[in-house]
Amino acid sequence: QKEVEQDPGPLSVPEGAIVSLNCTYSNSAFQYFMWYRQYSRKGPELLMYTYSSGNKEDGRFTAQVDKSSKYISLFIRDSQPSDSATYLCAMSRPSNSGGYQKVTFGTGTKLQVIP
Amino acid sequence: DGGITQSPKYLFRKEGQNVTLSCEQNLNHDAMYWYRQDPGQGLRLIYYSQIVNDFQKGDIAEGYSVSREKKESFPLTVTSAQKNPTAFYLCASSKQGANTFGSGTRLTVV
Repeated sequence: QKEVEQDPGPLSVPEGAIVSLNCTYSNSAFQYFMWYRQYSRKGPELLMYTYSSGNKEDGRFTAQVDKSSKYISLFIRDSQPSDSATYLCAMSRPSNSGGYQKVTFGTGTKLQVIP
Repeated sequence: DGGITQSPKYLFRKEGQNVTLSCEQNLNHDAMYWYRQDPGQGLRLIYYSQIVNDFQKGDIAEGYSVSREKKESFPLTVTSAQKNPTAFYLCASSKQGANTFGSGTRLTVV
């Protein structure tokens, strides 16, 4: 079983829709939770970075963490064609050797917002 | 502008050759990382370095080598021992927490 599971999609939605992207994880040691957006042939860019359970909002984006269920979500309101990209979840925990936060990435969900 | 610069953007390698991918950052970050991205597999950690002159193997270090002689620079060498080197390579750095990524190098073996 992978430490982090993410549906690869693709997910197609009409412009203006609310998008829900999700990841589940198995390791309760994960402390920090992140969402990245990656356009084709580009490096990932950080969208959201959270520590505790609960919601964090930034413009049209809301990140939600439920540590009890080991489940994280990213919601995109009023989706735009420019949101079409691959969205990667990521989470980090102290490494077994100590002194380092080991980051584990999901495989990414490809999103297409249709005008 | 602060950021991470990877070069070249595209690289072609003949079988049996070593190639070196460049990564430079001006963010004053202590930690730097190299990841490999393949379709359907997400990002996998190759090597990481927390301070100058020190680096550690990641999950898939075989066939790769790195150096960290300067805080700003963390070059990755893909050696002929790497049996399946065709991939998208991403360099990242961090101060605390989340990684900041470069724009990547796409390596193709011809």
